[in-house]
Amino acid sequence: GAGVSQSPSNKVTEKGKDVELRCDPISGHTALYWYRQSLGQGLEFLIYFQGNSAPDKSGLPSDRFSAERTGGSVSTLTIQRTQQEDSAVYLCASSSPGQGGTEAFFGQGTRLTVV
Amino acid sequence: AQSVTQLGSHVSVSEGALVLLRCNYSSSVPPYLFWYVQYPNQGLQLLLKYTTGATLVKGINGFEAEFKKSETSFHLTKPSAHMSDAAEYFCAARPGSARQLTFGSGTQLTVLP
Repeated sequence: GAGVSQSPSNKVTEKGKDVELRCDPISGHTALYWYRQSLGQGLEFLIYFQGNSAPDKSGLPSDRFSAERTGGSVSTLTIQRTQQEDSAVYLCASSSPGQGGTEAFFGQGTRLTVV
Repeated sequence: AQSVTQLGSHVSVSEGALVLLRCNYSSSVPPYLFWYVQYPNQGLQLLLKYTTGATLVKGINGFEAEFKKSETSFHLTKPSAHMSDAAEYFCAARPGSARQLTFGSGTQLTVLP
């Protein structure tokens, strides 16, 4: 596709349920990032995938959070046993191979509300 | 660890006035630097970036930023604000190796008529 696509755009879930958020990066982009944007918290790094390398999971806030990237393309962020503090906008970004100066392209995000 | 500081979580300017949004980074080695803009209910859009070379970088929508190594700063400016510039602006940095971006906490720009 032309840009980074995320689905769903909005998700309301009950506390304790599991949710899956999907990200379809720009074709050819080997790097993929997940960020969380909470009200008043700015952009919080969650996880980073680069090609076939082991992902950098250093930003995942708890073991309820996990992510995978299949075939080096689509990524799924899973939150198990959701809590109200998980409510946020989850942003996915991708960037092309190359030097660190290449910019990341962001999707429009998934707004997650845990009730 | 890399950190990015944006001074002023909210900035208000009058339409036609100068826009100045401040960003400082902490790193002994200058990283790659970026400014992103986020309109309500939208993702982030790149305004401009500094990698190497010329320290004054021009971006979209009339914005520019100057990299000053001595001040570890990368402030964003626009000579004349427009109502459509009202949005949240994020400064970001990435070290030389291609890894994650570190974002500042953002600055909400309000443009007054």
